[in-house]
Amino acid sequence: SYVLTQPPSVSVAPGQTARITCGGNNIGSKSVHWYQQKPGQAPVLVVYDDSDRPSGIPERFSGSNSGNTATLTISRVEAGDEADYYCQVWDSSSDHYVFGTGTKVTVL
Amino acid sequence: EVQLVESGGGLVKPGGSLRLSCAASGFTFSSYSMNWVRQAPGKGLEWVSSISSSSSYIYYADSVKGRFTISRDNAKNSLYLQMNSLRAEDTAVYYCAREGDRGNGMDVWGQGTTVTVSS
Repeated sequence: SYVLTQPPSVSVAPGQTARITCGGNNIGSKSVHWYQQKPGQAPVLVVYDDSDRPSGIPERFSGSNSGNTATLTISRVEAGDEADYYCQVWDSSSDHYVFGTGTKVTVL
Repeated sequence: EVQLVESGGGLVKPGGSLRLSCAASGFTFSSYSMNWVRQAPGKGLEWVSSISSSSSYIYYADSVKGRFTISRDNAKNSLYLQMNSLRAEDTAVYYCAREGDRGNGMDVWGQGTTVTVSS
């Protein structure tokens, strides 16, 4: 089955840039979606199709995808960005959605 | 307002059954594929099942295939998850989520309903 691997945690100071990676075999050939989940809340879609943002999501959130790694970049990090982040793809070989292992972003 | 509201969660014994419901409002439910996603306590997100707009395509995670059944009633704007032969490892918050209209991610989520499987 297809596996997506994320670092368990990323720490960043306010105003700096956080980069969250999502590793998968040839993930560059798939569309990657990213979700933000704050404690006790449902996930929120922050990036879809590798690099597009839903309406209402700040431009500080951006994404890229190439080779075996997709990346979610949060620029000018704010305290309110502290959350868990998950990547997701559709694995057409198994007809399954796959979520990444999740990354906890801590704002120092 | 676009909204999804889950219900039907609760405490059930191992081997028991439960039916979750998800009521949709604020959008044309019959035009969208829908999903169930769960999250065990302290764990990450796990996709459970997907159903296309007309129920023509249905997919399940290996962990629930043969035990769970997803269905929908477009006339009632409702999504369902029938869960049989429940196990302790099915304990989780269950979310219903709308698929974007071009398959571009899950763009609307409910608040979740909690299922606890314990004797």
